[in-house]
Amino acid sequence: GQQVMQIPQYQHVQEGEDFTTYCNSSTTLSNIQWYKQRPGGHPVFLIQLVKSGEVKKQKRLTFQFGEAKKNSSLHITATQTTDVGTYFCAGVNAGGTSYGKLTFGQGTILTVHP
Amino acid sequence: EPEVTQTPSHQVTQMGQEVILRCVPISNHLYFYWYRQILGQKVEFLVSFYNNEISEKSEIFDDQFSVERPDGSNFTLKIRSTKLEDSAMYFCASKRTGFLTGELFFGEGSRLTVL
Repeated sequence: GQQVMQIPQYQHVQEGEDFTTYCNSSTTLSNIQWYKQRPGGHPVFLIQLVKSGEVKKQKRLTFQFGEAKKNSSLHITATQTTDVGTYFCAGVNAGGTSYGKLTFGQGTILTVHP
Repeated sequence: EPEVTQTPSHQVTQMGQEVILRCVPISNHLYFYWYRQILGQKVEFLVSFYNNEISEKSEIFDDQFSVERPDGSNFTLKIRSTKLEDSAMYFCASKRTGFLTGELFFGEGSRLTVL
């Protein structure tokens, strides 16, 4: 079945440093979504990427979708303590009848030291 | 802002007991999901529900699991005979539209502890 791998599992940064997490799917995706989960919280939608090679920015966050629609990345510039949490990528398989079933990566736990 | 609500927030049960987890999705949403997350692990898909029927289910969603949307607002997950390995956080999610695309809105989760 479809697998979504995400690295790194953990990332510890000093406040102000940059952070990147990478996501790779075993199958071609229809779209990829990114979610943030604060400690003890629930996943909260950040963004959806649909087009091959797409790049989207939200303030300090930059999201990319690979040309082959099998990989993606999230880059945070100049991290802040409010960025702490687990970042998940989640892919929807292309060509299926999945009704938007998301397959989540393992997540990257980001800690930011002030 | 509309939100997905889930009850109970925490349920402790004995192995072999039946559990019902309840969810009220956002009112104009059409697609409904249950996911679960074992502590410290990734979020796993259980089942999707559209047009009053299951549209897809995972291998985890075996005969012990069932879902219902009994009254047009509530969306329930029933586990008939709980096992220790069912201990997890169960998230309900919904979305307005979009067959393959579209933002999922997650509830705050119901933590199930099976003893």
